[in-house]
Amino acid sequence: EVQLVQSGAEVKKPGESLNISCEGSGYSFTNYWIGWVRQMPGKGLEWMGIIYPGDSDTRYSPSFQGQVTISVDKSINTAYLQWSSLKASDTAIYYCARHRRPVVQLDPFDIWGQGTMVTVSS
Amino acid sequence: DIQMTQSPSSLSASVGDRVTITCRASQSIRSYLSWYQQKPGKAPKLLIYAASNLQSGVPSRFSGSGSGTEFTLTISSLQAEDFATYYCQQSYSMHSLTFGGGTKVEIK
Repeated sequence: EVQLVQSGAEVKKPGESLNISCEGSGYSFTNYWIGWVRQMPGKGLEWMGIIYPGDSDTRYSPSFQGQVTISVDKSINTAYLQWSSLKASDTAIYYCARHRRPVVQLDPFDIWGQGTMVTVSS
Repeated sequence: DIQMTQSPSSLSASVGDRVTITCRASQSIRSYLSWYQQKPGKAPKLLIYAASNLQSGVPSRFSGSGSGTEFTLTISSLQAEDFATYYCQQSYSMHSLTFGGGTKVEIK
């Protein structure tokens, strides 16, 4: 079964760092772009960026460039979303998702992780 | 950035109704448009890609049409399990693969 499994919910304080993960299985992990999508409480979906595990080529939305880091460890089929200094406004559910076709950079997401809830509060 | 505008933002409908949701792009995106369904507490699910292609496993009551700047998602006969929020997404511009704001389909 093709699936993405994300790490569990996190509760952090402002200024702390955080790394959440997304492990892919059941397909050739290095051949499909993986992206991250934010959903703030009660709000819509926001595309954050994507990474190609084969060579770690990464693209960011201008809204998230410099605010987060997307990375991958292809040896363990895992993508990451990282913050160096969290803000209360980072409170949201974060989804990872896989592009529908291998290699294709401009594509919709067909496989989604279950989401990771990140709460940032003092 | 390409802006994606959905309308309406919400609608009320009954089981069996025909429902149409519109998504407009701020510039031409050819047919690089997808539709997703999201139910509360769940991840989004891909319904339609390339404007009119049904994703595998999606019921045939869902259909998509359009090209350029105007697109529609139609549910031919609304079922109880279709009450959800629907999002469009463009995959034309790598600058940002933006989503529309969403359309919540509620029970009348």
